[in-house]
Amino acid sequence: QVQLQESGPGLVKPSQTLSLTCSVSNYSITTGHYWGWIRQPPGKGLEWIGSIYHGGNTYYNPSLKSRVTISVDTSENQFSLKLSSVTAADTAVYYCARMATVLSWYFDLWGRGTLVTVS
Amino acid sequence: SYELTQPPSVAVSPGQTASITCSGDKLGNKYASWYQHKSGQSPVLVMYQDSKRPSGIPERFSGSNSGNTATLTISGTQAMDEADYYCQAWDSSAVVIGGGTKLTVL
Repeated sequence: QVQLQESGPGLVKPSQTLSLTCSVSNYSITTGHYWGWIRQPPGKGLEWIGSIYHGGNTYYNPSLKSRVTISVDTSENQFSLKLSSVTAADTAVYYCARMATVLSWYFDLWGRGTLVTVS
Repeated sequence: SYELTQPPSVAVSPGQTASITCSGDKLGNKYASWYQHKSGQSPVLVMYQDSKRPSGIPERFSGSNSGNTATLTISGTQAMDEADYYCQAWDSSAVVIGGGTKLTVL
């Protein structure tokens, strides 16, 4: 059974960099999928952050692009998110997800999510 | 930038049909996907490529997409279907997600 698991600090200070990792189990990250990050601030809707292919190609949300870096580590079968210069507005549950890209682009498998508080 | 608009809330009685809409410019020319998100859980894909159900999603879920509107329809709505629903599309090399619709089963 394919599983995605987010990990990283649950508390980040303002102006610092938020760093999260998504570990993928029972599925090779080099198989033809993109991998993405999505977040949900408290009481708000889902917001796409960005996506990456195992070869390194990335797509970012234009509204976050200047602060976001997504990278992939194929040797560890994981991918990571870095969000710089965080503020309280970046407090959210952060999800990693597998992205299917045949004919259309959508997230077919999600991690359980991890709450990151900026304070 | 491209936007997807959903009604904030939809209410339905058990056993009735719920329709959740998602509007965007020429959305019918793109593929729409839908996610069900229950409180405290991870989002779940319930529809992709407009009208395809992933394995394990009940047949009462169906989808359509034409013109400027995609619709997720839940026939014979059950209490377990109460959740937030989000539509999503791909435009100009970016994922676009609607604002979400809270489905209440009265």
